[in-house]
Amino acid sequence: GESVGLHLPTLSVQEGDNSIINCAYSNSASDYFIWYKQESGKGPQFIIDIRSNMDKRQGQRVTVLLNKTVKHLSLQIAATQPGDSAVYFCAERGNNRLAFGKGNQVVVIP
Amino acid sequence: DGGITQSPKYLFRKEGQNVTLSCEQNLNHDAMYWYRQDPGQGLRLIYYSQIVNDFQKGDIAEGYSVSREKKESFPLTVTSAQKNPTAFYLCASSIVGRSAEAFFGQGTRLTVV
Repeated sequence: GESVGLHLPTLSVQEGDNSIINCAYSNSASDYFIWYKQESGKGPQFIIDIRSNMDKRQGQRVTVLLNKTVKHLSLQIAATQPGDSAVYFCAERGNNRLAFGKGNQVVVIP
Repeated sequence: DGGITQSPKYLFRKEGQNVTLSCEQNLNHDAMYWYRQDPGQGLRLIYYSQIVNDFQKGDIAEGYSVSREKKESFPLTVTSAQKNPTAFYLCASSIVGRSAEAFFGQGTRLTVV
């Protein structure tokens, strides 16, 4: 948990700016995609999900975009806050099992 | 409050010893999962169970064993056969068929000394 951010791609963002985190997935048959947030020393927390028949979904301060043509998923965080500093994982569901990406570390600069 | 609880948070094991990690949930979920997380890696599935007294191997089951005697509990044993057991272990639960909506525990950090 506390060392999960090591060796991960890192996005440094100024507080108040928007963040975009990208993820490439592998299974074209995946029907469901999720973004999780993991803070240091804790388990992952669900942020937002999207079904494969959608290309955009919005939540509170977050938007997920899905491009099935290039198998790409992104998470946009509006007005990034210090509490958004964490590792963010995308996950895809195929054959009723979740496969997780390696994660992206987001560091918010006050 | 409903939730999923892992214990202990930190665990130390001597080489050659087996050790069991606890996972309990009171969410009434049928499905439970164990994942392993290493620095710079995504979560990798060790074992999962969709019903009491049944479980399936995940992608990296070698050196691990599980049991599912109760719906609420899914303990993971890290055996001496696991060559590189130092890692962060995460337990999750979900409604069967809705694995994407998994709730995670806070994790157990296992270190071999």
